[in-house]
Amino acid sequence: DQQVKQNSPSLSVQEGRISILNCDYTNSMFDYFLWYKKYPAEGPTFLISISSIKDKNEDGRFTVFLNKSAKHLSLHIVPSQPGDSAVYFCAATEGYSTLTFGKGTMLLVSP
Amino acid sequence: SQTIHQWPATLVQPVGSPLSLECTVEGTSNPNLYWYRQAAGRGLQLLFYSVGIGQISSEVPQNLSASRPQDRQFILSSKKLLLSDSGFYLCAWTMTGGDGNEQYFGPGTRLTVT
Repeated sequence: DQQVKQNSPSLSVQEGRISILNCDYTNSMFDYFLWYKKYPAEGPTFLISISSIKDKNEDGRFTVFLNKSAKHLSLHIVPSQPGDSAVYFCAATEGYSTLTFGKGTMLLVSP
Repeated sequence: SQTIHQWPATLVQPVGSPLSLECTVEGTSNPNLYWYRQAAGRGLQLLFYSVGIGQISSEVPQNLSASRPQDRQFILSSKKLLLSDSGFYLCAWTMTGGDGNEQYFGPGTRLTVT
């Protein structure tokens, strides 16, 4: 049973526009959520996170929104840049437990 | 600052051969250590994690094993590789009881089993 789901395997966006990456989860005990960015043949790098006590966290061009009632979070990238092209993984955890990752969404930002 | 190393970067091994992948972390002590595998279409799958020397938890039953002989060393092994073991293997660390749970990943090892 997949507890963290990223239903869009890929997303194409034009440079300068907004990229919205979505993630759904089923475990109501998850209390911390993270987004990782991964380039081919490299390890993922931490991007942004949000605690379940918040509904929004912003860091520069990246904003994560959390809707606990819908068990849904999203990552907004504004404006999108070609260098943002990568695979984005959503992850969730309960307390200091291990991370559960989604399958990832490949973002392609075209000039 | 902390750094994490993995080697080798790429590996091609025949079916039935043994495997040993090594991961070391520098600049921190008593980290939690993790092994993940990224297989095509399956995202990041947690294989093993360790909260201390000699302490290994397995998330997925398989023909792989892990060991932690030293505080900052984590080894992934197999006695006999299967074709299905092909993938991109990632080691990660986080501070014990760390605030935020952010994990820091190594560069990864691309394993191809032929």
